[in-house]
Amino acid sequence: GAVVSQHPSRVICKSGTSVKIECRSLDFQATTMFWYRQFPKQSLMLMATSNEGSKATYEQGVEKDKFLINHASLTLSTLTVTSAHPEDSSFYICSARIPGGDTQYFGPGTRLTVL
Amino acid sequence: AQRVTQPEKLLSVFKGAPVELKCNYSYSGSPELFWYVQYSRQRLQLLLRHISRESIKGFTADLNKGETSFHLKKPFAQEEDSAMYYCALSGSASYDKVIFGPGTSLSVIP
Repeated sequence: GAVVSQHPSRVICKSGTSVKIECRSLDFQATTMFWYRQFPKQSLMLMATSNEGSKATYEQGVEKDKFLINHASLTLSTLTVTSAHPEDSSFYICSARIPGGDTQYFGPGTRLTVL
Repeated sequence: AQRVTQPEKLLSVFKGAPVELKCNYSYSGSPELFWYVQYSRQRLQLLLRHISRESIKGFTADLNKGETSFHLKKPFAQEEDSAMYYCALSGSASYDKVIFGPGTSLSVIP
C-alpha cells in the first residue's frame, strides 16, 4: 500500500532556532500534501495544504512566515518551523492523497520539542 | 461551513458489549466520510470509508444523509479496540483537505 514517511521522527531544539521536517511519498506521486498539528490528547488541526510547484495554502490563524512550506517535487514536501518557541512544541503530521484516489495516507509524525 | 462533531470525548465499554461512536457533520455538497483510528504510539490509519461500505475489524458505519451522521458501530467490543477514533470528511478531489472531528477515546474494559 501507499506509504508516507517523515523525517525526523523526533527533534529537540533550542528556542530561536529553525527546524525542518520532511514528508515523502514513497511509492506514489503526490501533487498535494497536507500538514497537520496535533497537541496531546487533541485532534489533528490542518495547518496548510502543500501544492507541488506553487505556494502553499494556509489555514486561518496559521502564520505563513513562521511555518514555511516547500513542495519542490512530487514526492517531497518540507515544513520549516522558523524561530521556534516552546509553544511550537507539538506533533506534526503530514498526509498525501494518491491522485484520483479517495484515501489520505498519513506519515508517522514528527514530535518537536522546543526548549 | 465544514465541520465534524463527535459528542463523546471519552467512551468506556466492557469487553463484549456493543459500541457506538457518534459522528455528525455539516458540509455543503456531497462529502466523503471516513473513520480513522490511532492506536497508542502508532500513526493515524484509515479504518473505513463510507463509499466502500466495508466492515473492518468488525466495525461498520452507515452514512445517514438525513441526519448528517456517520456513526461507527461494533456489536462486540474487544480489548484491542481501545484507541482514539476520529471521524473525518473530505471532498472528492485529491486536493480537498480532510477535516477531522475532535476524536473519541475508546476504552474497552476487560
